[in-house]
Amino acid sequence: SAVISQKPSRDICQRGTSLTIQCQVDSQVTMMFWYRQQPGQSLTLIATANQGSEATYESGFVIDKFPISRPNLTFSTLTVSNMSPEDSSIYLCSGKEARDTGELFFGEGSRLTVL
Amino acid sequence: GQNIDQPTEMTATEGAIVQINCTYQTSGFNGLFWYQQHAGEAPTFLSYNVLDGLEEKGRFSSFLSRSKGYSYLLLKELQMKDSASYLCAAVDSNYQLIWGAGTKLIIKP
Repeated sequence: SAVISQKPSRDICQRGTSLTIQCQVDSQVTMMFWYRQQPGQSLTLIATANQGSEATYESGFVIDKFPISRPNLTFSTLTVSNMSPEDSSIYLCSGKEARDTGELFFGEGSRLTVL
Repeated sequence: GQNIDQPTEMTATEGAIVQINCTYQTSGFNGLFWYQQHAGEAPTFLSYNVLDGLEEKGRFSSFLSRSKGYSYLLLKELQMKDSASYLCAAVDSNYQLIWGAGTKLIIKP
């Protein structure tokens, strides 16, 4: 099974600043995703990170606010831009192997608190 | 629209059995996942069902009825470490995961 590493694991940020979260997988997963999980709630998909091209964003999420890069198969970054307290959340990187219905693996999550 | 329903919270006693239900409505269906998530940690995979019936894996079993749009996760011989949230997620026709809000399971001694 894939192991997914994320950093930072947590951070406290000031309003108006931006933070980049890094995600590394240890095997060649076909698809990588970024999720947000607000306190006490389930997972909300932000976007699918596409290798070498622009990410595919879900409704309610835009590239200017959440720019995503995926320069190669095993690495991706998510930036949370111009943060506000409403962005305080856990951000999870996830990856999936080639099969369409393959198991989704998750990173440890990055807990962001915006003051 | 697409929807997943599961109870918000359940309480059970150590050593007992608990069943967590999940109903789903999706455009197309390509299987259903159960994940466990301890507080402050990432979700971890428990099971995947795509055919009707019961899949057993140690103390945990998962059941699926495609005709009823229904699944359950059965946890036997409950241990304190089973206290966690349990997330149900259905795979739609585009292979997108539709997540439930999770069921918080509280185990009491």
